[in-house]
Amino acid sequence: GAGVSQSPSNKVTEKGKDVELRCDPISGHTALYWYRQSLGQGLEFLIYFQGNSAPDKSGLPSDRFSAERTGGSVSTLTIQRTQQEDSAVYLCASSLDAHGYTFGSGTRLTVV
Amino acid sequence: QKEVEQNSGPLSVPEGAIASLNCTYSDRGSQSFFWYRQYSGKSPELIMFIYSNGDKEDGRFTAQLNKASQYVSLLIRDSQPSDSATYLCAVNTNKLVFGAGTILRVKS
Repeated sequence: GAGVSQSPSNKVTEKGKDVELRCDPISGHTALYWYRQSLGQGLEFLIYFQGNSAPDKSGLPSDRFSAERTGGSVSTLTIQRTQQEDSAVYLCASSLDAHGYTFGSGTRLTVV
Repeated sequence: QKEVEQNSGPLSVPEGAIASLNCTYSDRGSQSFFWYRQYSGKSPELIMFIYSNGDKEDGRFTAQLNKASQYVSLLIRDSQPSDSATYLCAVNTNKLVFGAGTILRVKS
């Protein structure tokens, strides 16, 4: 597609359930980021994939969070045993080079 | 010290004025710098990027970079109410790190 696609756009889940968030980057983009943005806050870095290199997972807040990127394209962010503090907008961005990153429209996660 | 710092604002300017947004960063090894605009409830969108010291102009927007002083700024000339948004500074070292953003309000 022409842009970065994220699904679902909204997700409401019960506390303790697992969720999977999907990001489909722009075709050919080698770099992919996941960020989290809580209401009224800035972007919190979660994880960064660059080509075939090992991902930079330094931003993942706990071991309940994991992400993978299959075939250098689609990425899935998984949150296990969700907590209320996980409620936020999860944003994915991709880039071909260092000239800036294009964001998807995000997944709004609400844990009730 | 945060890696990327911005004044949260809000910065209020009258329509037609110049809005000046500032950002400082801590990592001297940072190579590239970005300004994003984020409207309420929307995703960030890239306005400009800059790599070299000095000014870079694109329409009403000018990005300024001073690596010695570790600051980046964004000037918006002839500010319009539609420029009202949160402006995010981002710095790329080995990953892209964002500031918390500055809220800009342009009053008509």
